[in-house]
Amino acid sequence: AQSVTQPDIHITVSEGASLELRCNYSYGATPYLFWYVQSPGQGLQLLLKYFSGDTLVQGIKGFEAEFKRSQSSFNLRKPSVHWSDAAEYFCAVGGKGNAGKSTFGDGTTLTVKP
Amino acid sequence: DSGVTQTPKHLITATGQRVTLRCSPRSGDLSVYWYQQSLDQGLQFLIQYYNGEERAKGNILERFSAQQFPDLHSELNLSSLELGDSALYFCASSVLGTGRNEQFFGPGTRLTVL
Repeated sequence: AQSVTQPDIHITVSEGASLELRCNYSYGATPYLFWYVQSPGQGLQLLLKYFSGDTLVQGIKGFEAEFKRSQSSFNLRKPSVHWSDAAEYFCAVGGKGNAGKSTFGDGTTLTVKP
Repeated sequence: DSGVTQTPKHLITATGQRVTLRCSPRSGDLSVYWYQQSLDQGLQFLIQYYNGEERAKGNILERFSAQQFPDLHSELNLSSLELGDSALYFCASSVLGTGRNEQFFGPGTRLTVL
């Protein structure tokens, strides 16, 4: 069964500092991996996704993530955080085959200090 | 705006009651997903439909049921409501409903059971 672990429940960074949110997955083959962001009172929005090919993927809002098969990780990064990045971030792994069920991690809440 | 609409935005009801949540997917999307988000359980996948047929089932209680209609809108029915059912319920849609499809989330319905 597929699973996702986001080890950090809450992270606080200063505005302008770099950010890395961790995601570890468990899946039997090359997974489909996603990062979503949820702003307060909103639904989730896709930041980026990885299916195959280049292991460094670029997303919206200046985010990027790197797929590392050897570490079963798909960490999200941003070189310089803005106050508007404060939100909850979810890593997800998508299943193969017809069923599009995605398994989501428990989320990491990002607080940005001025 | 993701293009996914959910009604109502807020719902307050009493224990033992039954409610229906409605979701309209993005134009062209054939698959609909339902999720429950609560503070103690995080984001839980409930059920997925594809073109009117149930495709995948998650942690959906027997008191809950869903369906997708020929016009592709979906309804989630929650009955014999308990206090613990209070949560944010999200609908998401995707084009084909496979694991590599991005999911577009609606703004959610906040259910409060008193």
